[in-house]
Amino acid sequence: DTAVSQTPKYLVTQMGNDKSIKCEQNLGHDTMYWYKQDSKKFLKIMFSYNNKELIINETVPNRFSPKSPDKAHLNLHINSLELGDSAVYFCASSVRETSTDTQYFGPGTRLTVL
Amino acid sequence: DQQVKQNSPSLSVQEGRISILNCDYTNSMFDYFLWYKKYPAEGPTFLISISSIKDKNEDGRFTVFLNKSAKHLSLHIVPSQPGDSAVYFCAAANFGNEKLTFGTGTRLTIIP
Repeated sequence: DTAVSQTPKYLVTQMGNDKSIKCEQNLGHDTMYWYKQDSKKFLKIMFSYNNKELIINETVPNRFSPKSPDKAHLNLHINSLELGDSAVYFCASSVRETSTDTQYFGPGTRLTVL
Repeated sequence: DQQVKQNSPSLSVQEGRISILNCDYTNSMFDYFLWYKKYPAEGPTFLISISSIKDKNEDGRFTVFLNKSAKHLSLHIVPSQPGDSAVYFCAAANFGNEKLTFGTGTRLTIIP
């Protein structure tokens, strides 16, 4: 029984397309995150939602739009994909009170933009 | 602006010996530090953490040391085991804040 799951695991698409990555957690956590790991292996936070409310929004292009339908799900929609969007995207979740050290990560989605 | 740095991209250590992974940070506002471990095709997994009020935290074979004046922390694994082969990420934060700033990771290989 997977704690934090992401779909799809791999995504290959053409420049200019719009795509979505889904994330679900069954840990009962109230905070969810999206991280991006680029080709230089930097793992950087993009967004954080607490109880469906956006609490962290790093300087990410507005082509990226997170959507949290409920506190167990945080999806990432990317419009007009660019070559530089190729990366591994990780979803994570935590309980907000202890979120500094109990972030649980999903397995990642490797996005390749051609 | 790379606020957390892991200058060794890879490290190989004989099984049974000590593995020492290093991490440097530049932001003196960070007061909480973490190590995450990552296997291929999996997400990072929390390993151990340390608050800036301490200089050492130990959990079984894993010990993290913090030198605030040097803005340096290290993870010691002893004895090293083959299952420890993974990528280790150092991260820093302000305690109570959800935002973690990660280093680029060190790939540790334990040689049987």
